[in-house]
Amino acid sequence: ETAVFQTPNYHVTQVGNEVSFNCKQTLGHDTMYWYKQDSKKLLKIMFSYNNKQLIVNETVPRRFSPQSSDKAHLNLRIKSVEPEDSAVYLCASSYQPSGNTLYFGEGSRLIVV
Amino acid sequence: SQWGEENLQALSIQEGEDVTMNCSYKTYTTVVQWYRQKSGKGPAQLILIRSNEREKRSGRLRATLDTSSQSSSLSITGTLATDTAVYFCATNYAQGLTFGLGTRVSVFP
Repeated sequence: ETAVFQTPNYHVTQVGNEVSFNCKQTLGHDTMYWYKQDSKKLLKIMFSYNNKQLIVNETVPRRFSPQSSDKAHLNLRIKSVEPEDSAVYLCASSYQPSGNTLYFGEGSRLIVV
Repeated sequence: SQWGEENLQALSIQEGEDVTMNCSYKTYTTVVQWYRQKSGKGPAQLILIRSNEREKRSGRLRATLDTSSQSSSLSITGTLATDTAVYFCATNYAQGLTFGLGTRVSVFP
């Protein structure tokens, strides 16, 4: 049963628009993540957020930014989307940041036209 | 990259057959995890094997870990159509996990 909730499930937008994806976890975890999954199913970590410490994958473009109000929420904002941003964005959480089980949401599919 | 190029695979098998998938990694890890991702869903962990374990079983699943060759395998015995999914191995990252390229397994009745 899913305990990491993502909205929206699906979003179509035009190049240059701003998009936000929301993520909430009800597992009581203290670390949350955003992953990007491309059309070949490759999963790449974008951000992790633990106790207000943000770790950013250096390959993530600056138009992407995470936003957290508390440890149960980690949203993803994309300012001025580009075609290569089309992907599935997966939110996950875990008890501790390293070596532990990740619990994923069902993903938010973004299509940029 | 953390991963060996041989990770990307697609396997088609008949229900009831056994299947084994492999992954190799380049840097030290304390755990290897295997995840399954069904169509339209997020990945879900199947099994976690630690660096001091050589084998771990869970139901029809068997994972192995060889730290000397930095490789792991996942076997599924008596596959079912519901085992159709993409399977990933994952190792420790600075925070979170880094995932291999995945193996797409299609099980036909």
